[in-house]
Amino acid sequence: QQQVKQSPQSLIVQKGGISIINCAYENTAFDYFPWYQQFPGKGPALLIAIRPDVSEKKEGRFTISFNKSAKQFSLHIMDSQPGDSATYFCAARAGGSYIPTFGRGTSLIVHP
Amino acid sequence: IAGITQAPTSQILAAGRRMTLRCTQDMRHNAMYWYRQDLGLGLRLIHYSNTAGTTGKGEVPDGYSVSRANTDDFPLTLASAVPSQTSVYFCASTSEMNTGELFFGEGSRLTVL
Repeated sequence: QQQVKQSPQSLIVQKGGISIINCAYENTAFDYFPWYQQFPGKGPALLIAIRPDVSEKKEGRFTISFNKSAKQFSLHIMDSQPGDSATYFCAARAGGSYIPTFGRGTSLIVHP
Repeated sequence: IAGITQAPTSQILAAGRRMTLRCTQDMRHNAMYWYRQDLGLGLRLIHYSNTAGTTGKGEVPDGYSVSRANTDDFPLTLASAVPSQTSVYFCASTSEMNTGELFFGEGSRLTVL
């Protein structure tokens, strides 16, 4: 049973467009929701993270929107660039645990 | 440069052979992890260690073993490799000071024939 469901599995966007990746979770004990970015041949790296006491967090062109009642959170990439082409993973972690649960990833391709 | 070092970067291995993937971190993180990444399945946790001297099983532990003799090293051993263990393996670490952020190595690509 997937505790964190991520969609879509792949996404193709034109340069300048908005990329949106969605994640849903079941465990109400989750209290930390990070997004990781992975370029080909590299390990994942933290991109942006949010805690459930806020509904939105923005860092540059990247925004996390969080809906606690719906148990959903999403990553929005504004003005998408070819350099954003990567695999994106959402994750969730329960308080007191070191172990995050990952979504299955979204492969994003941004065409020039 | 501080971070996580994994070795080897890639390896082709005959089925039935024993293989150890090495992972070393110099950030003094207490928690370390091993994940495997397969297309369409994302990152799946194999084993973890919350602190030196302790280990635990993740989502897909069968066929793998780990040890954590000290803070810095967390090797992953395949006692008798099988083709289904062909994957990219990532080591990661974190500490309570990092609010949950995982730091990943560059990965080890393993092919079992």
